[in-house]
Amino acid sequence: GEDVEQSLFLSVREGDSSVINCTYTDSSSTYLYWYKQEPGAGLQLLTYIFSNMDMKQDQRLTVLLNKKDKHLSLRIADTQTGDSAIYFCAESSGYSTLTFGKGTMLLVSP
Amino acid sequence: EAQVTQNPRYLITVTGKKLTVTCSQNMNHEYMSWYRQDPGLGLRQIYYSMNVEVTDKGDVPEGYKVSRKEKRNFPLILESPSPNQTSLYFCASSPGTARGGDTQYFGPGTRLTVL
Repeated sequence: GEDVEQSLFLSVREGDSSVINCTYTDSSSTYLYWYKQEPGAGLQLLTYIFSNMDMKQDQRLTVLLNKKDKHLSLRIADTQTGDSAIYFCAESSGYSTLTFGKGTMLLVSP
Repeated sequence: EAQVTQNPRYLITVTGKKLTVTCSQNMNHEYMSWYRQDPGLGLRQIYYSMNVEVTDKGDVPEGYKVSRKEKRNFPLILESPSPNQTSLYFCASSPGTARGGDTQYFGPGTRLTVL
């Protein structure tokens, strides 16, 4: 079946940029998503990108999509301690059904 | 306030004792879904529903049942819970009106422990 892979852990210093990477296998993916999960909370949608786009920017967040390589990245500029969380990449090729990666834990140190 | 609510938030039970985790959304969403989250495995879909009386299996449906008698509610039923169902469960809903691109709203999670 479809698979979404992410690195498990990323550590950065406050003020640096963070880049979280994701690869997926389903070539029919139409939307790709980034979700954020803070400790003890549910998932919050950060941003998503349609498969015919290469890049999407939203304030401190930049999403890059390389459809040929099936590679998605999330860049967080000026990372803050409040950005420490687990970030999930997800893809959808059908009616609302999402396939999630295992999540990347981002740790931001002062 | 638009939200997805789940109850209970925490539950400790014993093997074989039937339980129900409720999920309710107040956004008139068509699509609802249940996921379980386990360390190292991410989120895996259990069941989903595209509308009232329409449900379908996700990736890990064994040991679970669902029903969708009303649009707003989508309870998850464990007829005979087992320890391997110890997990963190999330309910989610979305408008379901577009092919992909729906924003899924997640509930706060239910942490279930089966002894």
